Amino acid sequence: SQQGEEDPQALSIQEGENATMNCSYKTSINNLQWYRQNSGRGLVHLILIRSNEREKHSGRLRVTLDTSKKSSSLLITASRAADTASYFCATDARGAQKLVFGQGTRLTINP
Amino acid sequence: SAVISQKPSRDICQRGTSLTIQCQVDSQVTMMFWYRQQPRQSLTLIATANQGSEATYESGFVIDKFPISRPNLTFSTLTVSNMSPEDSSIYLCSAGGIGELFFGEGSRLTVL
Repeated sequence: SQQGEEDPQALSIQEGENATMNCSYKTSINNLQWYRQNSGRGLVHLILIRSNEREKHSGRLRVTLDTSKKSSSLLITASRAADTASYFCATDARGAQKLVFGQGTRLTINP
Repeated sequence: SAVISQKPSRDICQRGTSLTIQCQVDSQVTMMFWYRQQPRQSLTLIATANQGSEATYESGFVIDKFPISRPNLTFSTLTVSNMSPEDSSIYLCSAGGIGELFFGEGSRLTVL
């Protein structure tokens, strides 16, 4: 079964607003990653946060990790129409050499 | 980084037939994986393709249905055997380390 659960499943906001997506997982992890998938395309890696980190930034992306709650959030600031995509979190459970993906959030940015 | 090429990009197949998807990476990589993504769903790991040995399959996936080859560090194939409409899906090849995976564009299969 999928380890990561994300909410919301779908999010629609106006261009310029901030978008926040959440991810929860079940087991201890080494790191958590976020990926973006444009419609009909492969996935693109966005950012990785290690289990001993609490927050990480990359451009307009901000990721937080709370290992006590087994949850993470991805914040996209000043959203653009080009940010329209599905966003997935992925975790690698300790001892497992593989990534397990969450259900994803479909983000729509309205111009 | 790694660039991954998959082919075919899409195909329409008849029930009961088999199709082989090829995945080529532009550099040598240790780990290669095959995922399935059903319509508007997340990715489900099918197997880890091991170079020079049998693939490691996840629960619910078996070698007879999804035979995988990995003859070297840059190439792998996934065969979807004896297809049924339930196999209609996008199949994604990925490669890299656990720290970051690179993905192909996927192979969209429709089984009639």
